[in-house]
Amino acid sequence: EAQVTQNPRYLITVTGKKLTVTCSQNMNHEYMSWYRQDPGLGLRQIYYSMNVEVTDKGDVPEGYKVSRKEKRNFPLILESPSPNQTSLYFCASSLGPALNYNSPLHFGNGTRLTVT
Amino acid sequence: DQQVKQNSPSLSVQEGRISILNCDYTNSMFDYFLWYKKYPAEGPTFLISISSIKDKNEDGRFTVFLNKSAKHLSLHIVPSQPGDSAVYFCAASVYNTDKLIFGTGTRLQVFP
Repeated sequence: EAQVTQNPRYLITVTGKKLTVTCSQNMNHEYMSWYRQDPGLGLRQIYYSMNVEVTDKGDVPEGYKVSRKEKRNFPLILESPSPNQTSLYFCASSLGPALNYNSPLHFGNGTRLTVT
Repeated sequence: DQQVKQNSPSLSVQEGRISILNCDYTNSMFDYFLWYKKYPAEGPTFLISISSIKDKNEDGRFTVFLNKSAKHLSLHIVPSQPGDSAVYFCAASVYNTDKLIFGTGTRLQVFP
């Protein structure tokens, strides 16, 4: 089954404790991206990657890191989480290196992160 | 600055009637628009899209209308069904670029 898999689904942590949210897709997609969803703000892009070893900042990259060492994986790293990073996070992927009519984004089921 | 706006946070519609979800955008460079649907505890799923060269795109019960002069798009669902109850996000992009800007979402509830 074609899918984007995120882990964990739920995570509660404390301020300053480094964490990684994993994302993997099995569709051989070139493009991958991370979003966060917050009430009243919709989905905001954190980072995206057009291919292996190619990453770029989205609209809200502060406090996050990503890496793209393999095509299928795109982990999101919070080196020193803070309470304002409490959010619902989504990983997404698409077929082409850029968004077009034939490659809409496919989303994972989300990771709900709470930082206390 | 919110470039894509969904001004109605929620909408309630009776089963069988039409649901109309609205979306406004400010960036005149946007030329590709999408709607995503999101159920609780799941990620958004792609629903329908439209390019700026069209003013209407239809897929079954779902139709998206684009009014470029007003910078407005809408999603019509006819007839509405209880399974359509979800949060709907509109999104906009410049075609073949790497950024997709989402609206804040509208929660649709379809009641029997």
